[in-house]
Formats: sequence, C-alpha cells, structure tokens
Amino acid sequence: RKEVEQDPGPFNVPEGATVAFNCTYSNSASQSFFWYRQDCRKEPKLLMSVYSSGNEDGRFTAQLNRASQYISLLIRDSKLSDSATYLCVVIPGYSTLTFGKGTMLLVSP
Amino acid sequence: NAGVTQTPKFQVLKTGQSMTLQCAQDMNHNSMYWYRQDPGMGLRLIYYSASEGTTDKGEVPNGYNVSRLNKREFSLRLESAAPSQTSVYFCASSEGAATSNSPLHFGNGTRLTVT
Repeated sequence: RKEVEQDPGPFNVPEGATVAFNCTYSNSASQSFFWYRQDCRKEPKLLMSVYSSGNEDGRFTAQLNRASQYISLLIRDSKLSDSATYLCVVIPGYSTLTFGKGTMLLVSP
Repeated sequence: NAGVTQTPKFQVLKTGQSMTLQCAQDMNHNSMYWYRQDPGMGLRLIYYSASEGTTDKGEVPNGYNVSRLNKREFSLRLESAAPSQTSVYFCASSEGAATSNSPLHFGNGTRLTVT
C-alpha cells in the first residue's frame, strides 16, 4: 500500500454542488495532516490543516478518521474558482511531509 | 511580501550541462526543501535542510546536490543534466522542523527541460 493515496479524478461537478475527496494513508503513527490546493501550472498552497476533531473553514470541511486511516475534504456550494488539484499531505512522524498525487476538481457553469 | 523566490522560472539544458537553481526565503524559516513534480508522480522530495549547515536526502536525490548557503538560501545543483531530470522544480520552506506540524510555503517553480 502506498504511503498516501488519492483518487486522481477528475471530479466534474456543476456550480453549487457538494463534492468530497478522500485520502488514505498507510502509516498509523501519522500525526499531522493537511490539504493543499494547486492551480494549473502554479505552486501548491496550504488550504487547511486537518485536526483530530474535524475542522471547517467557510465552505470547506476537513475530517480525520484514524480508525480507517483516511482524511477527507468536503467542499459545499462549489464555485468555478474551486477548480484546481487538491493535494493530501501526511507527516508520518519519522520523515518529512508526504504528498499524495492529487485529485483534480473541475467545476462547470 | 516576497515569501519564497526561485530563479530561473524557465530553463532549457542540453544533456550533460550543469546548472544551479536558486532559492531564497525572507520569512526566517528554519527548514527548506527542494521538490520535483512530474505528471502522474506527484511531488517528490529531492533534498531538504532542517537548519543552516545541514542537508538530508529525500526520496529522489540521485543526480542532484544542494547547498544551504545561509538561513535564507538553499540551492539545487544539477552537475550533469539528463532528460530524466526534465521536470518542474519547487523550492519550499517551513518555520518548524521537517517532521513538525509546520505548513510549507512554496516558490513559483522552475520549469526545466533537458534535451
């Protein structure tokens, strides 16, 4: 099993839709988790950290399920500007950040 | 706010040529990183530096060397470029240690083509 796995997509959704991505990780000792966003031909940027109790930032909700070893990102009321690739990042604890390959989201009018 | 600055933005090399990618951050961060990003492969860590004067290999260090010149600057050198090194290179920095809960701040990237 790869360290961090994501469905590459693309996820095609209409504006206003709710969409969710999952990311699974293999190291049960992993302590820190993040979601990054990467626009086409741009650098990745931190979207949000993922806390054990789950956290929300406007239309975005991140959750952690330690028992099943996955994190999720929920986007409500999708906007055209949400079109991007979403990268899952896990810190295994013994090494540096490990990036997933990303999930592409395309929001259409 | 400059953040993380990489130069050059684009570069074309012939096989066997050498070059150095420059990276500087003005956020007083302790840790700095070099990643490469290839289609279908995601971001892969080449080297990182937890502090001035220290460097460590990442997932794909072969064919590269790095120098942490001071706290601000972390350069990546390709001594003899190969077509397999065609990629987008990102420099990043973080305030805390590489294994801590510190998010990364990325530069704009360098698009390198080796012919």
